[in-house]
Amino acid sequence: NAGVTQTPKFQVLKTGQSMTLQCAQDMNHNSMYWYRQDPGMGLRLIYYSASEGTTDKGEVPNGYNVSRLNKREFSLRLESAAPSQTSVYFCASSERGGGTNEKLFFGSGTQLSVL
Amino acid sequence: AQSVTQLDSHVSVSEGTPVLLRCNYSSSYSPSLFWYVQHPNKGLQLLLKYTSAATLVKGINGFEAEFKKSETSFHLTKPSAHMSDAAEYFCVVSWPRGSNQGGKLIFGQGTELSVKP
Repeated sequence: NAGVTQTPKFQVLKTGQSMTLQCAQDMNHNSMYWYRQDPGMGLRLIYYSASEGTTDKGEVPNGYNVSRLNKREFSLRLESAAPSQTSVYFCASSERGGGTNEKLFFGSGTQLSVL
Repeated sequence: AQSVTQLDSHVSVSEGTPVLLRCNYSSSYSPSLFWYVQHPNKGLQLLLKYTSAATLVKGINGFEAEFKKSETSFHLTKPSAHMSDAAEYFCVVSWPRGSNQGGKLIFGQGTELSVKP
């Protein structure tokens, strides 16, 4: 079982470059999430998609865009990367959605450095 | 505002001794609470969750946590640490859909657990 798959695992960008982080889940989950993890700050929600066709901002959406391409895939785009976006990014999914009392399944992360 | 605070950024124990990772939350609602574990270079894995049933919750790998409403705490414990327990642990709260957090998850800052031989 693949679960949640993120690509790429590592990426180095120059300031101002753009890129898209890809995420796919094979568990038929309704909800998907993008988090960033920074030292001493835990995980912070960037965007989430409660169901196919919907997306909502999380705590730290500035500088990011997302696309829920279909039920399986949820991509995160940096249009003009900044050094402050250097972080580890995690995609997650959950069965019903809304992040209430249900379990999240996480991908293995993307380590992004912006120079 | 709702929040979650992990009181220790780093905890070090010897193998075979008890583990205590502390978590406090603030809330105007009855939250759902979770502990997640992250091993090096891995994603996060759910250890256990509290959803207003029993206040003592048992999770995987011998971990358990007790919800204490009067203390607004949800500390994670394990009687005897193993080397494989070395990881980062996150306390997480989620709020009901009717709250101003709309059911989202709020992560604590994380506690790094080191286990010495």
